[in-house]
Amino acid sequence: QSALTQPASVSGSPGQSITISCTGTSSDINGYNYVSWFQQHPGKAPKLMIYDVSNRPSGVSNRFSGSKSGNTASLTISGLQAEDEADYYCSSYTSSNTLLFGGGTKLTVL
Amino acid sequence: QVHLQESGPGLVKPSQTLSLTCTVSGGSINSGGYYWSWIRQHPGKDLDWIGYIYYSGSTYYNPSLKSRVTISVDTSKNQLSLTLRSVTAADTAVYYCARDRSGYLLMDVWGQGTTVTVSS
Repeated sequence: QSALTQPASVSGSPGQSITISCTGTSSDINGYNYVSWFQQHPGKAPKLMIYDVSNRPSGVSNRFSGSKSGNTASLTISGLQAEDEADYYCSSYTSSNTLLFGGGTKLTVL
Repeated sequence: QVHLQESGPGLVKPSQTLSLTCTVSGGSINSGGYYWSWIRQHPGKDLDWIGYIYYSGSTYYNPSLKSRVTISVDTSKNQLSLTLRSVTAADTAVYYCARDRSGYLLMDVWGQGTTVTVSS
């Protein structure tokens, strides 16, 4: 299975909003509402930010939101802060009962 | 608060077997409803899901690695283990264990990861 498709990089200024896309197929993103988003700072483990397309775990800022339309899921970060600068990965459950990740997007806060 | 900690050798020779352990603290691996996965991140940052185990011992592996992988659980030690056979340089990665609270591969808790390099 090919990885989910994410842009390699996105950037935004403090206070702005950005959106990261994650494109898959009918066998993963479009087939299930089991899309997650992870934040990873350098040298750290991935941290769950969004699950089941649009749900936030306890403790995650409400500046982070998720959505899905067809084969594409999206992560939006509003009110960008310097601490949001990190790599972001999407993942989706698949029809093969496996987990597929995106290639990752580097977010730069200008 | 559940905490996961991976451990194992940082260097493995090509064609040999990679063996890692994940120790779970702050909760019992026996508690129903949780699956325990291994995931790896290559130097280029791509993430691969390797497979999962339930406390009962039932497993499911990524078909791409299935022929070389075994995941086991030791409930008495609250640990899960990963064995990857016939390794090559392509298996060089940071290896993470993670908790799946859903059964559909929702990874809500991750270990800090352990780096494994395959080299002679």
